[in-house]
Amino acid sequence: QSALTQPPSVSGSAGQSVTISCSGTSSDVGSYNRVSWYHQPPGTAPRLMIYEVSDRPSGVPDRFSGSKSGNTASLTISGLQAEDEGDYYCSSYTDFRSYVFGTGTTVTVL
Amino acid sequence: QVQLQESGPGLVKPSETLSLTCTVSGGSISSYYWTWMRQPPGKGLEWIGHIYYSGTTNYNPSLKSRVTMSVDTSKNQFSLKLSSVTAADTAVYYCARKVALDAFDIWGQGTMVTVSS
Repeated sequence: QSALTQPPSVSGSAGQSVTISCSGTSSDVGSYNRVSWYHQPPGTAPRLMIYEVSDRPSGVPDRFSGSKSGNTASLTISGLQAEDEGDYYCSSYTDFRSYVFGTGTTVTVL
Repeated sequence: QVQLQESGPGLVKPSETLSLTCTVSGGSISSYYWTWMRQPPGKGLEWIGHIYYSGTTNYNPSLKSRVTMSVDTSKNQFSLKLSSVTAADTAVYYCARKVALDAFDIWGQGTMVTVSS
């Protein structure tokens, strides 16, 4: 079972928007709305940012939004802030009753 | 609020068994799935498996032959055993809570385990 595919890095100036893609298959992202996103600043544990494709847990700013089309999910960060820097990972439930993570994307605020 | 804390040896010899425990504080271990993940240095996350408080388990197919998870509700703890370890098992190991919508909402701080003689 291969990892979901994410771009290695994205960057943007403070205040701009960036979008991270998460490409899977019909056995995971394409078949289930159980896609979640995690933010991992350097040296820390991941933090849940989005679940079930587009829902935000309590405490996550509404600058973070998620969507899905076919086998690809996306995370958009609007109004980029310095604290948004770090690695982002997507995750999906799969046909094999397991979970697969994305390859990870490093977000840099210029 | 609920917090998770991993504990266990930071160094394991090749071919031996890695053993970690996660202690749940601030809430009950009941009614949730409890998960282990790992992250090799400089690499991405990998789901190892999860255990329900009742003891039902589900493991990553690629690790299934070497993984055993258990739960002790009296101590509010759950555990991971990974047998026949190699250098490829060197990673930060995280415990986390899985909610019903297949997301991992609470994570431990992680513990580094190195496999080396």
